[in-house]
Amino acid sequence: QSVLTQPPSVSGAPGQRVTISCTGSSSNIGAGYDVHWYRQLPGTAPKLLIYSNTNRPSGVPDRFSGSKSGTSASLAITGLQAEDEADYYCQSYDSSLSVVFGGGTKLTVL
Amino acid sequence: QVQLQESGPGLVKPSETLSLTCTVSGGSISNYFWSWIRQPAGKGLEWIGRIYSSEDTNYSGSTNYNPSLRSRVTMSVDTSKRQFSLKLSSVTAADTAVYFCARVALSSGFFYFDFWGQGALVTVSS
Repeated sequence: QSVLTQPPSVSGAPGQRVTISCTGSSSNIGAGYDVHWYRQLPGTAPKLLIYSNTNRPSGVPDRFSGSKSGTSASLAITGLQAEDEADYYCQSYDSSLSVVFGGGTKLTVL
Repeated sequence: QVQLQESGPGLVKPSETLSLTCTVSGGSISNYFWSWIRQPAGKGLEWIGRIYSSEDTNYSGSTNYNPSLRSRVTMSVDTSKRQFSLKLSSVTAADTAVYFCARVALSSGFFYFDFWGQGALVTVSS
């Protein structure tokens, strides 16, 4: 069981907006540690999508955005495209002195 | 563009030690933290630990490990070879996973992983 909780799956039609939640606690997200997001295509390594809650690395489209509030964070994807179909993971740090990940969310583009 | 490549045996016997090396190219290995992260088939990601690489030998080799794995993990770095390594002792089938190496990027709270290797599958089986 992951320290950070994500929905196992979300889905949306092309062009729609979807959000993926990441719920933590007072020892990780709620303690002020940043949340980061990764996208993982099947059989490949995770790729950084959002860092420090809201920032996009160079090359990541502005269709992807992140937010954080209290003990939770969210990843929003607008203008959904077929190539967005992947697994998405959130990551933070925990006061137990460890990096923690969410269990991952599989995004299906209908 | 920084590139990372994992290497090592793909099959390890139970109770033995898993050993992997990550080679860094396209950028400096010095003055960065480097991490190992693993992913069992069909499951999520688990952070194993991180190690600091520095040209100053007083600081190079500083480590932080996941408390759940600390008793079995050893990481090392060879700056001259642009490599860092992972050893995980007393392995069981539960340690079967794809092992990724990654570069650590620091943030105000706390750190994340900006470049990843492609991953190396390690199977624990007799």
